[in-house]
Amino acid sequence: NAGVTQTPKFQVLKTGQSMTLQCAQDMNHEYMSWYRQDPGMGLRLIHYSVGAGITDQGEVPNGYNVSRSTTEDFPLRLLSAAPSQTSVYFCASTLMGIRDTSSGANVLTFGAGSRLTVL
Amino acid sequence: QKEVEQDPGPLSVPEGAIVSLNCTYSNSAFQYFMWYRQYSRKGPELLMYTYSSGNKEDGRFTAQVDKSSKYISLFIRDSQPSDSATYLCAMSAGLWGGSYIPTFGRGTSLIVHP
Repeated sequence: NAGVTQTPKFQVLKTGQSMTLQCAQDMNHEYMSWYRQDPGMGLRLIHYSVGAGITDQGEVPNGYNVSRSTTEDFPLRLLSAAPSQTSVYFCASTLMGIRDTSSGANVLTFGAGSRLTVL
Repeated sequence: QKEVEQDPGPLSVPEGAIVSLNCTYSNSAFQYFMWYRQYSRKGPELLMYTYSSGNKEDGRFTAQVDKSSKYISLFIRDSQPSDSATYLCAMSAGLWGGSYIPTFGRGTSLIVHP
């Protein structure tokens, strides 16, 4: 199993450019999410999805789009990059744990991260 | 006030020391408590997971949850330079508690020097 795979690992963009960060998981996880991590700010949730065709906004969704057409993939799109979007982005996934109460936790498996610089 | 508070450090200790890392929280619905370890330029990885109150031990690591005080701790015995990393606490009410989305602390940077 590859776990959670993110591409690219590094990217430099100019202000106004668009791009897509890819995330794929091979663990049949229902739940997938995107975080950004900035110094002193911790992990902040951008968007998440509980299954194919279902997405919702997190804490900092502005400037980002997501879609979930398959269980495996959850791409994050930057529509018009801004310097404020310079950050490290992490994709994370988990099973939803619907079987019993003790497995209802959201223990996340993270990707290795994508480091984005917007000039 | 953030829902989960965690001192960012850095915390610098000599090799072999006992390390105590802590988080406080305000949401009494939290039932699942996790500690993630993040090495520099890597993604976080789960270190310990506890459901409800009590202690859990795994090798040199002990996770402790005190729900009455809304306080969780991670203890590292006989700390090693390889333990140098950022430690993030996370917690959630869980699927059955109405919110499965975990809330993270900001992380504590730990440096263990030889």
